[in-house]
Amino acid sequence: AQSVSQHNHHVILSEAASLELGCNYSYGGTVNLFWYVQYPGQHLQLLLKYFSGDPLVKGIKGFEAEFIKSKFSFNLRKPSVQWSDTAEYFCAVTPGGYQKVTFGIGTKLQVIP
Amino acid sequence: DTAVSQTPKYLVTQMGNDKSIKCEQNLGHDTMYWYKQDSKKFLKIMFSYNNKELIINETVPNRFSPKSPDKAHLNLHINSLELGDSAVYFCASSTHGTSGGTYYNEQFFGPGTRLTVL
Repeated sequence: AQSVSQHNHHVILSEAASLELGCNYSYGGTVNLFWYVQYPGQHLQLLLKYFSGDPLVKGIKGFEAEFIKSKFSFNLRKPSVQWSDTAEYFCAVTPGGYQKVTFGIGTKLQVIP
Repeated sequence: DTAVSQTPKYLVTQMGNDKSIKCEQNLGHDTMYWYKQDSKKFLKIMFSYNNKELIINETVPNRFSPKSPDKAHLNLHINSLELGDSAVYFCASSTHGTSGGTYYNEQFFGPGTRLTVL
């Protein structure tokens, strides 16, 4: 069964700092990869997704992620965070051809003004 | 228009009661899901239906029974509620297929139902 690891459980940054959240998955075949954001008390919103093609994916709100197949990784980045980015971030994976999505445990990002 | 909607948004009830949560999607998707998010924010799939047929059934107590009257609706009924059932329950629907040789599966989530069992 596939699994998703998010190594940073709680990240605290000052505004304007750069962000990188790690995500690794364990599945050898083709995958669909996602990052979702959950603001406090809100539902999950899709930040970005990767299905195929350019491994550098641009999402909403200035986020991007890079798929590195050899490392089974899909790390999320943002060059300069804002206080409004304070939220929980979830990496998710779907093996190609399957409908079951597996989520990582989430990373809580706290941005200090 | 809301794409995936759930009712109620909040549900507070006593142990032992039976309750239902409703979900509707207007995206025309064939597949719908129920997820449970516990107090530590861990999201875990519970069920999935494709065109009213159950296709994913994770290890969930049989007190939980999903029902899909049509492909736009997936309801969750919970019997004999327990304290440990307190969580946020998210409904989702997905579009999936193959395009240019690439398989895709994208899920759209509802706003969640916060269930509190006292």
